[in-house]
Amino acid sequence: EPEVTQTPSHQVTQMGQEVILRCVPISNHLYFYWYRQILGQKVEFLVSFYNNEISEKSEIFDDQFSVERPDGSNFTLKIRSTKLEDSAMYFCASRLTGLSDTQYFGPGTRLTVL
Amino acid sequence: GNSVTQMEGPVTLSEEAFLTINCTYTATGYPSLFWYVQYPGEGLQLLLKATKADDKGSNKGFEATYRKETTSFHLEKGSVQVSDSAVYFCALSGPNAGGTSYGKLTFGQGTILTVHP
Repeated sequence: EPEVTQTPSHQVTQMGQEVILRCVPISNHLYFYWYRQILGQKVEFLVSFYNNEISEKSEIFDDQFSVERPDGSNFTLKIRSTKLEDSAMYFCASRLTGLSDTQYFGPGTRLTVL
Repeated sequence: GNSVTQMEGPVTLSEEAFLTINCTYTATGYPSLFWYVQYPGEGLQLLLKATKADDKGSNKGFEATYRKETTSFHLEKGSVQVSDSAVYFCALSGPNAGGTSYGKLTFGQGTILTVHP
């Protein structure tokens, strides 16, 4: 069965450094998402991406964050200058077309900012 | 805005016990409702969903009915197994305050379920 993959599984970085989290969505899906889960808290929406542009973003997704789909397969989340509070599990998800279609999630990348 | 509230956890049960995890929501319009499950060390997997009022989603012995009148989507299972131990998330997808929707999911806080033999 097709699945969403994410790399790396764990990223450790120093505060102020840039990080890029990578995702490969399911190949025929058209909608892409990033969510994050700070330890012990809810899963929170960050951004949705469709037709090569951001369709919706949360207030968490400020100028430090950016997303890109550089080719036909990868979907990346970049954090320009990491803060301690960016430490979280980051999940990528993709969806085929309809709003009630299932979103398929990747296994997540644990980001630790020191 | 949209929000989801799940019952406080964690929940600890013995094998073969009956499970209920409560979920209520606040949303604009008519959202779709989901239960996701997260097993230890893994990502989120869809357990079941319902897209309109009175729909019942079911999978692996779990069920949930979309109740518009009580804005609820409670998860139930008649007889839990040790392998059901996981974190369960209720979620919705619906229009934002502006009336548009791009499918983002709004999650509840998650309920940790532990089942003992």
